[in-house]
Amino acid sequence: AQKVTQAQTEISVVEKEDVTLDCVYETRDTTYYLFWYKQPPSGELVFLIRRNSFDEQNEISGRYSWNFQKSTSSFNFTITASQVVDSAVYFCALFSGGYQKVTFGTGTKLQVIP
Amino acid sequence: GAGVSQTPSNKVTEKGKYVELRCDPISGHTALYWYRQSLGQGPEFLIYFQGTGAADDSGLPNDRFFAVRPEGSVSTLKIQRTERGDSAVYLCASSLSWSDTQYFGPGTRLTVL
Repeated sequence: AQKVTQAQTEISVVEKEDVTLDCVYETRDTTYYLFWYKQPPSGELVFLIRRNSFDEQNEISGRYSWNFQKSTSSFNFTITASQVVDSAVYFCALFSGGYQKVTFGTGTKLQVIP
Repeated sequence: GAGVSQTPSNKVTEKGKYVELRCDPISGHTALYWYRQSLGQGPEFLIYFQGTGAADDSGLPNDRFFAVRPEGSVSTLKIQRTERGDSAVYLCASSLSWSDTQYFGPGTRLTVL
């Protein structure tokens, strides 16, 4: 079995603040993939990033950055200088070769206040 | 290119009726997935197709739910004798192959009265 935990249900920040969304995962497989998706109020899930278990390099894409740490089974997502358009529900997800399904966390609702 | 499309975007039906939800994946994607998302939850896996065959249907809640993908492209999720508890957003996703990134459609919001 596999599990994804997003302990933060809702976060509110003021525009331009930095915010980190936490994700902790569980899997027995050594080969797996981690994802982040954004779900804005319109409802469509938008792919943000995919990371495989053998690549622990952190990644930065514009204002977004991801910190993957196998030692703590975490894959955290940081938005720098948040904007109102970042307001959405963010899902962390896990796919492992053994389980062969994507398991989603329960999501973190981010509200950026102008 | 075109993304995953789903029709209808909204479906309201009465308890006991039969419904069909359609998914048109990204062209060339061999893997197709159905998920169900209830309010405040993450998507829950229902079924996965690789080509025309259902590779894994372990997420289907019961035998009222069935899905097909006869030509390896468009898929239809079928729900018989709908119940109020079936109300949710049904999401479809496709990927190049089974371990690749899944791209999601806009979903069908099903309401069973």
